[in-house]
Amino acid sequence: GAVVSQHPSWVICKSGTSVKIECRSLDFQATTMFWYRQFPKQSLMLMATSNEGSKATYEQGVEKDKFLINHASLTLSTLTVTSAHPEDSSFYICSARVGTGGQPQHFGDGTRLSIL
Amino acid sequence: KQEVTQIPAALSVPEGENLVLNCSFTDSAIYNLQWFRQDPGKGLTSLLLIQSSQREQTSGRLNASLDKSSGRSTLYIAASQPGDSATYLCAVRTGANNLFFGTGTRLTVIP
Repeated sequence: GAVVSQHPSWVICKSGTSVKIECRSLDFQATTMFWYRQFPKQSLMLMATSNEGSKATYEQGVEKDKFLINHASLTLSTLTVTSAHPEDSSFYICSARVGTGGQPQHFGDGTRLSIL
Repeated sequence: KQEVTQIPAALSVPEGENLVLNCSFTDSAIYNLQWFRQDPGKGLTSLLLIQSSQREQTSGRLNASLDKSSGRSTLYIAASQPGDSATYLCAVRTGANNLFFGTGTRLTVIP
């Protein structure tokens, strides 16, 4: 149980392109979804937190107009990297949780984004 | 701000050995602590979750302990196997949505 599916797993695209990444909770309804970014050999850094039907809360230093997050339902959140540039190349991981902070977070398999 | 440190950064052991991974955190006011496994190029797999009121959790060959007052947690892996090779991350939750990750311990189990 508690499977989080992330798609696509790998994206290569040209600079200036917008890229959408989907995150779905397959067998549970996620009250809250999280988006993380991970650079090589570094740990995960939280980008934003979203609750279904509400605007996402972005961490300091994360541009909300650059990284658009939509949490349209209890099982789907999307991250759109707008006008992506090479410095946006990274590993993006989503996570989903049922209920409050006492519950475990479940993670997707990540999306490797490479901007040429 | 919460800081999470994991020592060692890398560890190599022969197959069959028991091993301990360490995690320390600076702010003891936590909700819970979670241990994850990350394989190269993959997402995170949750291994164990310890609530702040608990001292340890066990799952198969894994045992995680929590000493909240001293800001420490350990992950004990018994009878290590080559399939255990991965990066192990600990993360502490200090608020409803604040999950702070350590930089991980990269474990290699040598057949």
